[in-house]
Amino acid sequence: AQKITQTQPGMFVQEKEAVTLDCTYDTSDPSYGLFWYKQPSSGEMIFLIYQGSYDQQNATEGRYSLNFQKARKSANLVISASQLGDSAMYFCAMREGGYGQNFVFGPGTRLSVLP
Amino acid sequence: DGGITQSPKYLFRKEGQNVTLSCEQNLNHDAMYWYRQDPGQGLRLIYYSQIVNDFQKGDIAEGYSVSREKKESFPLTVTSAQKNPTAFYLCASSIGAGENIQYFGAGTRLSVL
Repeated sequence: AQKITQTQPGMFVQEKEAVTLDCTYDTSDPSYGLFWYKQPSSGEMIFLIYQGSYDQQNATEGRYSLNFQKARKSANLVISASQLGDSAMYFCAMREGGYGQNFVFGPGTRLSVLP
Repeated sequence: DGGITQSPKYLFRKEGQNVTLSCEQNLNHDAMYWYRQDPGQGLRLIYYSQIVNDFQKGDIAEGYSVSREKKESFPLTVTSAQKNPTAFYLCASSIGAGENIQYFGAGTRLSVL
């Protein structure tokens, strides 16, 4: 079974608008972490934001925020004020338990920002 | 600047040949990882190492081998037993195996001639 689901293969957003990228996850482990990475066409994976399963507040990092809904097992990425440089693949990932090797990536969403 | 360096950026393999992908980090991280990415897909874990001279298989280790003789280096060998090696390979590191954030190199694109 898929542990990380990203249902939007591609998304378009107008420059300066906000956009939400969906991510749902599946785990029975009470301790887990959720991550979002950005992969531009150059290929490097760039860490954006992290949310721990016990964190009470939604994570924010600059223009990125993570809408964490634990009961729904949802960890959507919100990008505010989109920029042309935000055009890239975005991957949601989950770490289960206490060890970094149990790291699972979703299939990704390609975001295109339109001028 | 601290970071993870992967080389070469592009690599070509002939049939029956072993090739080695380099990954070096100067972040003083204990844990290192190798992932494979196929077109239009997410990353899959090949091997990981939590400490020098120790490494474990990931989800798709068959046809690959690694070594971890130095903390800063974690080379990946794609052996002739890997029948479909064409992919994008990414190396990552984290402070420790229990630490959350993995930082990635720029990747190596491997193709078969």
